[in-house]
Amino acid sequence: SAVISQKPSRDICQRGTSLTIQCQVDSQVTMMFWYRQQPGQSLTLIATANQGSEATYESGFVIDKFPISRPNLTFSTLTVSNMSPEDSSIYLCSVEAGTGGDEAFFGQGTRLTVV
Amino acid sequence: QKEVEQNSGPLSVPEGAIASLNCTYSDRGSQSFFWYRQYSGKSPELIMSIYSNGDKEDGRFTAQLNKASQYVSLLIRDSQPSDSATYLCAVTSMDSSYKLIFGSGTRLLVRP
Repeated sequence: SAVISQKPSRDICQRGTSLTIQCQVDSQVTMMFWYRQQPGQSLTLIATANQGSEATYESGFVIDKFPISRPNLTFSTLTVSNMSPEDSSIYLCSVEAGTGGDEAFFGQGTRLTVV
Repeated sequence: QKEVEQNSGPLSVPEGAIASLNCTYSDRGSQSFFWYRQYSGKSPELIMSIYSNGDKEDGRFTAQLNKASQYVSLLIRDSQPSDSATYLCAVTSMDSSYKLIFGSGTRLLVRP
């Protein structure tokens, strides 16, 4: 498995502002993933962050709203821009590791509340 | 739209009983299947992965896969109150082997 450190663990933000979430992995990984988990819901993939190229966004998520950086093989950031209360969610960073090669491991998550 | 379906529960079982959690998926091309446990306020934790038809056992946990029926299950033997959590089923998308699709989860309550 991989050790994934994510911060901040939680934040309360004013609407219209932006928050950048950081994700650090203890080993080099090709792809890093960002998920959103809205209250009482399951996980939805926002985008895949690849080192050296633009992130790949899933349907319903756009770069202007969720810009992602991937400067090296152990670090990524997700920014939630121009926040509204609807952005209140848990945001999770994930990497694939493990014996099967495609087992996903998650950071501790960032609990975001927009007021 | 590829889907993973789970009964939301709660599934309530007495301590020491077997808890049976079920999951169906729509993408016949899915190759990898996972069960995650998520405690309230925490991130998902991988419990089991399974890739071929049949059973896979790990301690008190047994994952079962039937690709023909597009069905995955998780059995928890000798259930403990500490097993009370939401269990998420996840499968890989045929579009991309690295993309996971999660079910909505089943909440399990183990009564002391």
